[in-house]
Formats: sequence, C-alpha cells, structure tokens
Amino acid sequence: GNSVTQMEGPVTLSEEAFLTINCTYTATGYPSLFWYVQYPGEGLQLLLKATKADDKGSNKGFEATYRKETTSFHLEKGSVQVSDSAVYFCALSGPMTTDSWGKLQFGAGTQVVVTP
Amino acid sequence: DTAVSQTPKYLVTQMGNDKSIKCEQNLGHDTMYWYKQDSKKFLKIMFSYNNKELIINETVPNRFSPKSPDKAHLNLHINSLELGDSAVYFCASTFGGAEAFFGQGTRLTVV
Repeated sequence: GNSVTQMEGPVTLSEEAFLTINCTYTATGYPSLFWYVQYPGEGLQLLLKATKADDKGSNKGFEATYRKETTSFHLEKGSVQVSDSAVYFCALSGPMTTDSWGKLQFGAGTQVVVTP
Repeated sequence: DTAVSQTPKYLVTQMGNDKSIKCEQNLGHDTMYWYKQDSKKFLKIMFSYNNKELIINETVPNRFSPKSPDKAHLNLHINSLELGDSAVYFCASTFGGAEAFFGQGTRLTVV
C-alpha cells in the first residue's frame, strides 16, 4: 500500500536559517503529493502541492519538487521566520479509485521550532 | 466565511457516553472525510462520503458511525466512548478528490 516517510522532529532553527524537511513515499502509479501545515491549536492548511513528476509546488517562500526517480518531495525554505513554527505533514493521494477517492496518506509530521 | 466548520471544538465526556461531532462545508465540494489525529500527531483516515454515499470505511470500531444527510454535511457519532477514543478528529472535504480542505478539528477527551 501507499506510505509516506518524513524526517523526525523536532527541528529547531534560528530565524533566517535554511529549512529542509525530507519526505519520501511509496505508491503505485502516479500519486499527487502535498505538504500541509498545522499551526498550534489549529487545523491543517494546504501549503503546496504537485500532481506530476518534476512539478514544483511553492507557497509563502516554501518549495518542494516532485521527484519520481527518488520518490521524494522534500520541503525547503530559504529563510525561516518565527511564524513558521508549526508541524509540517507530507502527504500523498492516489490512485483515484472508488475506494481511495482523495484519501490522504500522511507522514508522521515534523515539528519545526524557529527561535528569534 | 469558514469553509469547513466543525462543532464542537472541544468535547470532554465520560467513558460509556454517546457523542456526536458535526461538520459542514460551504465550498460546494462533493466528498467529505473524517480523519483521526492521535496524541503523537499521526493522522489517519476513518471514513469518506461522496455525494452522500460511503466510499471509504477504514478499519474503525463499529462504535463509530458516520452520517451524511446531504453533500454539505458529514457527522460522526460515537457510541460507548472509551479512553482510547481521545484524539483530535478532523473533517475535510474535496471536489473530485483533489486537494483537501480541513476543519479546525474537534479535541475529544474521554475521562
């Protein structure tokens, strides 16, 4: 079955540091890949997505590229802020069959703590 | 306007009770989901309804029963609550199975 593996946290960084969160996946066919973010006490928000190989998703300074050859979707940001402190989830969806329609398979989540 | 809204946000109840969580979406989506987030933040799908029809039913105790009265609503009823049911429950919706929009979550605490 499908699975997502992402690096364990917490990841602690200073403001303006470079952030990378590794994510690799196992799936049949061509899944869609997502990064969701969960700020303290809130629900999940879609951060970015990519639906096919070599697509790059980007939002709020975050980027991730769908790499089929390495089955990876690593999240990066060049200069983090304190407000980026949150839990980040890598997720995949697919294939689109009647019993997995839009079903998201999540990684375990990576907590990121950014200090001033 | 809130896109996916859940009520209540917090729910504290005793073991053995029956409780319901409600979810509504105003996005015009056709598919709704329930996810459970455990104490380690791990998220797992429980159920999904597409146009009021149950399409995903993961291995969940039959004490949990979803109900979808229409495309915009998906409720979760839990019978005979147990300590292990304590978690955060998220409702989500998609259109055609594309990216999911999540509610704020319901933190259920069973004491």
